[in-house]
This record gives sequence, C-alpha cells and structure tokens, in this order.
Amino acid sequence: SQKIEQNSEALNIQEGKTATLTCNYTNYSPAYLQWYRQDPGRGPVFLLLIRENEKEKRKERLKVTFDTTLKQSLFHITASQPADSATYLCAPHRGGGSTLGRLYFGRGTQLTVWP
Amino acid sequence: EPEVTQTPSHQVTQMGQEVILRCVPISNHLYFYWYRQILGQKVEFLVSFYNNEISEKSEIFDDQFSVERPDGSNFTLKIRSTKLEDSAMYFCASSKPLGSQETQYFGPGTRLLVL
Repeated sequence: SQKIEQNSEALNIQEGKTATLTCNYTNYSPAYLQWYRQDPGRGPVFLLLIRENEKEKRKERLKVTFDTTLKQSLFHITASQPADSATYLCAPHRGGGSTLGRLYFGRGTQLTVWP
Repeated sequence: EPEVTQTPSHQVTQMGQEVILRCVPISNHLYFYWYRQILGQKVEFLVSFYNNEISEKSEIFDDQFSVERPDGSNFTLKIRSTKLEDSAMYFCASSKPLGSQETQYFGPGTRLLVL
C-alpha cells in the first residue's frame, strides 16, 4: 500500500530562516504531488502542485522540488514568518489517465516559526 | 473567491443516532469528496462522487455511511447509526480537474462528537 512519510512531526525555526520540509513516498509513482497547509481545526488549503516532469516550482516565498528517483519532495519556505506556523501536508497523486482520485496525505509536519 | 462551505461547524450526537453533514461545493466543480480526520491523526479519504454516483470509497466507508447530492448545490454525508469512533473532523472537498491534474478545495470542516 502507499506510504507517505514527512520528515518530522514538528519543526521549529527562527523568523527569517528558511524552513525545509521533506516528503518521502513508497509504493507510488505519482504523476504529480501537492502541498497543502492546515491550520488547527481547519481544512487543508492548497499551496502548490508540481508535476513529475518538473524539478522545481516556485510561488512567492515557497519552493517545491520533486525527485522521482529519490521518491522525495522538498518544500521550502524562505524568509519564514510567524504567520507561516501551521501543519504542512504532502499528497502525491497518481494522476495519469485518471482525473479522479482520492488524496493520500502524510501525517504532516507542524512548523512553528518563532520571532 | 469561491469556497466550499460546510454546516454545521459542530455537531454533538448520541451513539446510535443518525447525523447528516452538509456541504456546498464550489459551483462549477464536478467532483466531490468527503474526508475525515480523527484528532491528532492524518486526513483520511472516505468517498468520492461524480456524475451522481460514488466513484471510489475507502474501507472506512461502510454500510453506515451514505452520500447524496439532493439538488444542484448540496452534497451530504449521512451516518446512519453513529459510533464513538466516528468522532472526528469531517471535511468536504470539490474539484474541477484540468486535464489529468486535479486540485481539491476543502471546506472548513464539521467537528462531530459522538457521546
């Protein structure tokens, strides 16, 4: 069965530093991978999608990489701010010929950015 | 910006009672989902719905669960006879795939507590 591992349950960094979160997956060949943000008691909010043929994707202070050989995605937040504190979820997706699909989420990494 | 809405935000019920959780997906979306998240655990897929029928369901989605799209806007999840272990946050999501890619947009969730 699919397995998704996110580097650690919690990551604490100082404001202004770059946060790097890791997502590893096994038994999977995703066509694309998504990152979501979840705040306490709220639903996941979509952040970025990266396709299997893309090495890197950027959006403002966010950067995602996707290494299909290592079966890993890295999610970076540069110049982090306390408002970035949340749980970040990765969701590899089989895509391909199927436009429908359940999302498999990792447990998430809880990021805390302290002033 | 269009968003998925869910009602109620909180629901407390007695074990064995029926509950109906309601969702209004984004208006031009075609695919609808229910997920749940038990406190402290990961977001888990329950069911997907397209073209007025279930397209995929997980092992969690047993005979006690049902979904319906009674009109052009609402999407409901019914639990016929609630159990203590049904206590969780329930998230509705919807999507409108572009080609073979799909981003799901989540609602704020309904917190269900079964006593």
